[in-house]
This record gives sequence, structure tokens and C-alpha cells, in this order.
Amino acid sequence: DAMVIQNPRYQVTQFGKPVTLSCSQTLNHNVMYWYQQKSSQAPKLLFHYYDKDFNNEADTPDNFQSRRPNTSFCFLDIRSPGLGDAAMYLCATSRDRMGVETQYFGPGTRLLVL
Amino acid sequence: GQNIDQPTEMTATEGAIVQINCTYQTSGFNGLFWYQQHAGEAPTFLSYNVLDGLEEKGRFSSFLSRSKGYSYLLLKELQMKDSASYLCAVVDSNYQLIWGAGTKLIIKP
Repeated sequence: DAMVIQNPRYQVTQFGKPVTLSCSQTLNHNVMYWYQQKSSQAPKLLFHYYDKDFNNEADTPDNFQSRRPNTSFCFLDIRSPGLGDAAMYLCATSRDRMGVETQYFGPGTRLLVL
Repeated sequence: GQNIDQPTEMTATEGAIVQINCTYQTSGFNGLFWYQQHAGEAPTFLSYNVLDGLEEKGRFSSFLSRSKGYSYLLLKELQMKDSASYLCAVVDSNYQLIWGAGTKLIIKP
């Protein structure tokens, strides 16, 4: 089945220790997104790629970076995690640019910062 | 600013019907999504409305009134597995997706 895969499902890191979350997709979608979601809150878009075109949201902290080496893979790097970065990180894809295209989500990676 | 309003939490009984409302104030409108999200899991697509009216899909229906900036998700014959959060998201004039915080639905036997 075509799908969006995220690894790991749970990640524990130490305050200030860099961490990388990964996402892969077999849907062959052009667009990949990274969201941060805290408990009982709306998903917050961090950035998205349209093919190789990177689009950063204005309020995404510099602490968050992303890489998309090819169509299938996308990575979220948190350079110096703080306690406030503990959250669920969701990867999503869509066939075309965000908006009217349905987004398909991976299972998420829950990040815990100690 | 852009705003999506949904009730924080609702409770309903197994087998009953529940309506989850969503009101929005956005810069333009290009459609409205409903997603279901079980605790600790990713959102999954339920429906997309861009024209006024009711769209039915099995036990779930979604209604839109663009003039009122209003939508609802109707769940019939509730099952325990319907316990989840339901997220409303609106596509604005820039084709950006604006998310609501979700409504946590609790189903009781």
C-alpha cells in the first residue's frame, strides 16, 4: 500500500542535543510538509517542499531545518532542542501544492526532550 | 487575523448522533476539510467541501454554508471507535491551510 512512513515513532533526546526525524513516502507526491502538534492544539506548519523548492513559514524558529534529498525522503533537523520543542511531529504529503489537495499524514514522531 | 472555532470537547452516547460545528473567519475561502485524529495518531482525511450543502459519506456527513462561514460534521450511529478529535481546516485565498484546534469527541456506552 502507498503510504507515508515516519521513523522513529518515539524519540527521546537531551536538552540541546541535535536530533533528526525522518519521513518517507511511496505516494510519489510532489509536496511534503512538516507539522508540529502539541497536545490539544492545531497542527502548526513548520515548512513544506514543493518538489525541491523549500518554503519556510515565517514564524518557524531557526532551530528547525529540513532537507529533502529526493522525492521520497524528507528530514527534520532540530539543532538544539529545548523543552518547548517536545511535541508530536507530523509529516504529510500531497499531490500538488497545499490548499485544495488532500494531505496524507504519517503516523508521527513523538519527541521527548529531557 | 484568521480564525477557526470549534468546541473543545463533546460527549455523546454510543448509537446516537452528534454534530460538531466549525466557524471560520479567513482571508478568502477555497474549501474546508474535516480530519479525524485518534489520540497519539496522525490525522486522517474525512471530507472536503467547497460548495454549499451537505455531502454524505456513510455514517459521516459534512455541511457547508459559505455565507455564514460555517460547517458541521454529522456522525450517525456512533461507535466507540469514533472517539477521537475532529479537526476542521480551511483553505484561504492564498491556498494556505488554516487548522482549527480540534474537537475531542468522547463516546460513552
